[in-house]
Amino acid sequence: GQNIDQPTEMTATEGAIVQINCTYQTSGFNGLFWYQQHAGEAPTFLSYNVLDGLEEKGRFSSFLSRSKGYSYLLLKELQMKDSASYLCAVRDVGSQGNLIFGKGTKLSVKP
Amino acid sequence: DGGITQSPKYLFRKEGQNVTLSCEQNLNHDAMYWYRQDPGQGLRLIYYSQIVNDFQKGDIAEGYSVSREKKESFPLTVTSAQKNPTAFYLCASSVGDDEQFFGPGTRLTVL
Repeated sequence: GQNIDQPTEMTATEGAIVQINCTYQTSGFNGLFWYQQHAGEAPTFLSYNVLDGLEEKGRFSSFLSRSKGYSYLLLKELQMKDSASYLCAVRDVGSQGNLIFGKGTKLSVKP
Repeated sequence: DGGITQSPKYLFRKEGQNVTLSCEQNLNHDAMYWYRQDPGQGLRLIYYSQIVNDFQKGDIAEGYSVSREKKESFPLTVTSAQKNPTAFYLCASSVGDDEQFFGPGTRLTVL
């Protein structure tokens, strides 16, 4: 079956580093996406991993281990505007290549 | 500026009425998608279209219908057969399996 797990909520302090984990089980993995979604707004693309390892993009990095079915999103130098939900989505060959989304992690950044 | 638009932003419907949600993109993307987002749940795929004049059911297609007569447009009709239509509806588009770009969403409320 298909399953994507993320923590429901996290809290962190402005200027700190936070790691948001995502574990998945799919019938045919073909890539993992991270999106940011502010309340009531559209999700926006953050990163994409299809091979094992770390992808870095400014303050945001994403890691993938296919053998462990595990990814994380790392946010550095947290800012108040980073308060949002972070969505993990896996492309599943078994679902006609469509994205399977986790329930999202709501991150609150405190001063 | 290229982008994806949805209208209206808020929509109220009486029980038993059909309503149509608009989605337009000028990104020249072949693929378009409709998702539904409920509180505490991940995005769920309603319908998708990989090319003009063709579309497929997603995971929760019952009570919904779509058309794809033009590359730029992918309207979603929520019919009276959808038992619990109150939700946030998101339209997205992509180039093949690349990242999906989302519209601003339509919040539908059944009165």
